[in-house]
Amino acid sequence: DAKTTQPTSMDCAEGRAANLPCNHSTISGNEYVYWYRQIHSQGPQYIIHGLKNNETNEMASLIITEDRKSSTLILPHATLRDTAVYYCIVRETGGTSYGKLTFGQGTILTVHP
Amino acid sequence: DTAVSQTPKYLVTQMGNDKSIKCEQNLGHDTMYWYKQDSKKFLKIMFSYNNKELIINETVPNRFSPKSPDKAHLNLHINSLELGDSAVYFCASSRTTGGKTNYGYTFGSGTRLTVV
Repeated sequence: DAKTTQPTSMDCAEGRAANLPCNHSTISGNEYVYWYRQIHSQGPQYIIHGLKNNETNEMASLIITEDRKSSTLILPHATLRDTAVYYCIVRETGGTSYGKLTFGQGTILTVHP
Repeated sequence: DTAVSQTPKYLVTQMGNDKSIKCEQNLGHDTMYWYKQDSKKFLKIMFSYNNKELIINETVPNRFSPKSPDKAHLNLHINSLELGDSAVYFCASSRTTGGKTNYGYTFGSGTRLTVV
């Protein structure tokens, strides 16, 4: 079962920041937070991941609360092409899970003109 | 250059047939996976291989048999296809260092299997 809770859907105006929340209250100390997105009919695309510090790359920023029980993915200037299902996933990096990603329902983000 | 390529992209076949889906990655990754996305859009892992060794084998019918001839390839063979096998199958790869996978995965574009 997925260990995360996300809103089912969100809307965002083109050009504005999209802030996608995720709750992971049972996260353990060695689990990372990963974000992926899936644009219609395509394979999931890696966006960003982090452990406890905030992270930024060319696609997005990831803000993780100090207690690590929640995080927010920020797309600073959303475009129509950012319309997709966004998945927040927590997972260990080793052990018996060995790379296993457990996907939940994700958040359907719709960017409108 | 496609990083993770799957063939075929679409596959329509009759019940009872045997079919294979091929996957190749040119990223130099050492771990490869098969995921299944059903009609409800849930993505679930089926198998993972690290350096040609089976690591994860979820509760998948033994009609599904993965084969990894080398680190760059992971094929999925399905025997006696059933209607319920209709889904989109995604191959993925990642880099593992010291037994830990803390990098992003790269997914293929999927194979849409329809069993009629």
